[in-house]
Amino acid sequence: SQKIEQNSEALNIQEGKTATLTCNYTNYSPAYLQWYRQDPGRGPVFLLLIRENEKEKRKERLKVTFDTTLKQSLFHITASQPADSATYLCALGQTGANNLFFGTGTRLTVIP
Amino acid sequence: DAGVIQSPRHEVTEMGQEVTLRCKPISGHNSLFWYRQTMMRGLELLIYFNNNVPIDDSGMPEDRFSAKMPNASFSTLKIQPSEPRDSAVYFCASSHGGGDRNEQFFGPGTRLTVL
Repeated sequence: SQKIEQNSEALNIQEGKTATLTCNYTNYSPAYLQWYRQDPGRGPVFLLLIRENEKEKRKERLKVTFDTTLKQSLFHITASQPADSATYLCALGQTGANNLFFGTGTRLTVIP
Repeated sequence: DAGVIQSPRHEVTEMGQEVTLRCKPISGHNSLFWYRQTMMRGLELLIYFNNNVPIDDSGMPEDRFSAKMPNASFSTLKIQPSEPRDSAVYFCASSHGGGDRNEQFFGPGTRLTVL
């Protein structure tokens, strides 16, 4: 069965540093991968999508990479701020199917 | 648009009682998803609908769970009878379905506690 692992349950970094979150998957060949942010007491919110033929995608301070050989995606937040503190989830999807498979999430805390 | 609407936001019930969770998707979205989130298992897909038709219910834990989508603007998830292990946050999400981004829009969730 598909397995999606995110590097750690919790990650603490100092404000201003770059946060790097990892999403690894097995037994799956996704056509695209998405990243979501979830704040306490709220539902996940979509951030970025990267397709299997794309190596890298950027949006403001966010950068996502996708390596289908390693079966891994990296999610970077540069110049991190305390407001970036949240849980980040990766999700895998296939062309023609609307459902997504979510990872367990990484709780990021940016320390002022 | 108000986004995905879920009710109730919180539900506390006793074991054996019937629980009904409700969801109104974003207007114009044709895919609707029900998820359950716990600390132990993360976010699990229970069932999803395309154009009001159930497509994949393989995530529904057992026969105590059932979901319906009688029209494009309303869906229910029912648990009968409820058990303490059903305690979790239940999310409803909707999407355009098959769109270029296929991003899902989540509701605020229903926090269910079964005593």
